[in-house]
Amino acid sequence: EAQVTQNPRYLITVTGKKLTVTCSQNMNHEYMSWYRQDPGLGLRQIYYSMNVEVTDKGDVPEGYKVSRKEKRNFPLILESPSPNQTSLYFCASSPWGTDTQYFGPGTRLTVL
Amino acid sequence: AQKVTQAQTEISVVEKEDVTLDCVYETRDTTYYLFWYKQPPSGELVFLIRRNSFDEQNEISGRYSWNFQKSTSSFNFTITASQVVDSAVYFCALRATNAGKSTFGDGTTLTVKP
Repeated sequence: EAQVTQNPRYLITVTGKKLTVTCSQNMNHEYMSWYRQDPGLGLRQIYYSMNVEVTDKGDVPEGYKVSRKEKRNFPLILESPSPNQTSLYFCASSPWGTDTQYFGPGTRLTVL
Repeated sequence: AQKVTQAQTEISVVEKEDVTLDCVYETRDTTYYLFWYKQPPSGELVFLIRRNSFDEQNEISGRYSWNFQKSTSSFNFTITASQVVDSAVYFCALRATNAGKSTFGDGTTLTVKP
């Protein structure tokens, strides 16, 4: 089944404890992206990747890191999480930069 | 810079009413793509439609229809004879050609009451 998977789906952590949210797609898509969703603010793009080893900042990249070492995986790293990073995170992929994005199920992160 | 505005934060209708969700966008690109996604209470994001900037034909899919007007930079979404299952948050989004950035509106929460 074609899909985007994210792990974990739920995470509660404490300020400053490094964490990684994994994202994987099995559709051989070139493009992948991370978003955060906060009440009343829609989805805001954190980082995106047009291809392996190519990443770029979205609108809200501060406090996040990403890497794209292989086509299928695009992990989101929070090196020192803070409470303002409590949010619902979505990973997405698409065949190319203008195609329809397919979204993962979301990861609900709480930083205490 | 690009921007998507969904001015209606919340809309409430009674079942079988028609409802239109507004979307206005801003972009300097001449070629771009517009999207609508649905987020039901279960939380997943469901793709509804993709339209490129050169195709201004309106589209109908069952009870759903979309009106794209480049002259007013609008891409509105109408649900005819709404149903309770249409209750969700709806997002309008914009992607510029050959660019990685993707911009979403803040979403419109639609509640359809029985």
